[in-house]
Amino acid sequence: QVQLQQSGPGLVKPSQTLSLTCVISGDSVSSTSAAWNWIRQSPSRGLEWLARTNYRSKWYNDYAVSVKSRAIINPDTSKNQFSLHLSSVTPEDTAVYYCARVYVSGWYRGMDVWGKGTTVTVSS
Amino acid sequence: DIVMTQSPLSLSVTPGEPASISCRSSQSLLHSDGRNYLDWYLQKPGQSPQLLIYLSSNRASGVPDRFSGSGSGTDFTLKITRVEAEDVGVYYCMQTVDSPRITFGGGTKVEIK
Repeated sequence: QVQLQQSGPGLVKPSQTLSLTCVISGDSVSSTSAAWNWIRQSPSRGLEWLARTNYRSKWYNDYAVSVKSRAIINPDTSKNQFSLHLSSVTPEDTAVYYCARVYVSGWYRGMDVWGKGTTVTVSS
Repeated sequence: DIVMTQSPLSLSVTPGEPASISCRSSQSLLHSDGRNYLDWYLQKPGQSPQLLIYLSSNRASGVPDRFSGSGSGTDFTLKITRVEAEDVGVYYCMQTVDSPRITFGGGTKVEIK
């Protein structure tokens, strides 16, 4: 059974960097049948996809246009986890952040595993 | 980005009665591989979203058969044949045809009468 365990601070000051980690159990961050995503949810923006990392002979990282200049997604094979770093945060980045797996076995099978979510507040 | 529009915004259903949610996309979700890249998720109160339906009509593992998805192109529907108390929450559609630029609908809140 695949599980995703999220960790990270609940409070970040404006202009600082938000760092979140998602530890994978039951699967591998290097799996060629998966893509590992960060998504956030806020009342003003709803559910918003932020970033993705996946391994297909080499690593591919993709970002939403809204955060592209500020976000880095980083897979860590030694710890079987992936992280999101979002710099220069503002109160607009206040949201619940989720990590999630997209599963592809032969063909696309949906975003089938989600972390429990981390509530992040950006405030001084 | 592809815009996903759900209706209605909310639904109040008597247990045992059917329910239907619509999702429309600003562009076709039909991929050149012949599949419609439209998923449905349910977010129960206080929980993360959970996958119900992928590729428009495929039930995810463990999802009761009272849930079904249909549609193609830009118009999709999630149907619940007989709503149960455990089905309350917010339902979201999500497109991945434009992956990785995934987008979600605004959600439909389902409550029990």
